[in-house]
Amino acid sequence: KQEVTQIPAALSVPEGENLVLNCSFTDSAIYNLQWFRQDPGKGLTSLLLIQSSQREQTSGRLNASLDKSSGRSTLYIAASQPGDSATYLCAVITGANSKLTFGKGITLSVRP
Amino acid sequence: GAVVSQHPSWVICKSGTSVKIECRSLDFQATTMFWYRQFPKQSLMLMATSNEGSKATYEQGVEKDKFLINHASLTLSTLTVTSAHPEDSSFYICSARGGERGTGELFFGEGSRLTVL
Repeated sequence: KQEVTQIPAALSVPEGENLVLNCSFTDSAIYNLQWFRQDPGKGLTSLLLIQSSQREQTSGRLNASLDKSSGRSTLYIAASQPGDSATYLCAVITGANSKLTFGKGITLSVRP
Repeated sequence: GAVVSQHPSWVICKSGTSVKIECRSLDFQATTMFWYRQFPKQSLMLMATSNEGSKATYEQGVEKDKFLINHASLTLSTLTVTSAHPEDSSFYICSARGGERGTGELFFGEGSRLTVL
């Protein structure tokens, strides 16, 4: 059974800091991995999708990497801003039509 | 990215009534949609997989008669919470596969907060 872990559960950093959010999964036979952002009381916004054959994806100040063999992904946020404060979840699927397995998320607070 | 819309975004109802939540894929067709439930400060819990034109597949422990799912078209799935009770109060989120074909990328609605009095 696939398990996704995100540690720590919460993180507080000063504005401008570069930071890394970690995600690990137990079964390396994944189809893809997605990073999401969730604001309080809102749905999920897809940030980055990494296919199993890819090593990383970039969008603006965000960069996500994937190391399947070690069962790890990282989300790098450059020059963090207060607007980046949210909960960040990673999730994996094992097939194109299979279900997502979510981590519990990391709640990020960026202090002005 | 693809857009998934949920309605209503919040609803308050009396105990014993039924509530319907709609999930629409606005700019793509979705043969499969997923319904999740989220408790405060918890991650999403998959309730069921909604399949267009066929019965939904429910996760273990989710009552089929309590949470009725209908996926009548390629752009609409509905979740009806029947005879709602206060313990059904939660945040319900739907998702659908969109974007580039074969990537398996999922897009989520904005969620619907249900409060049962």
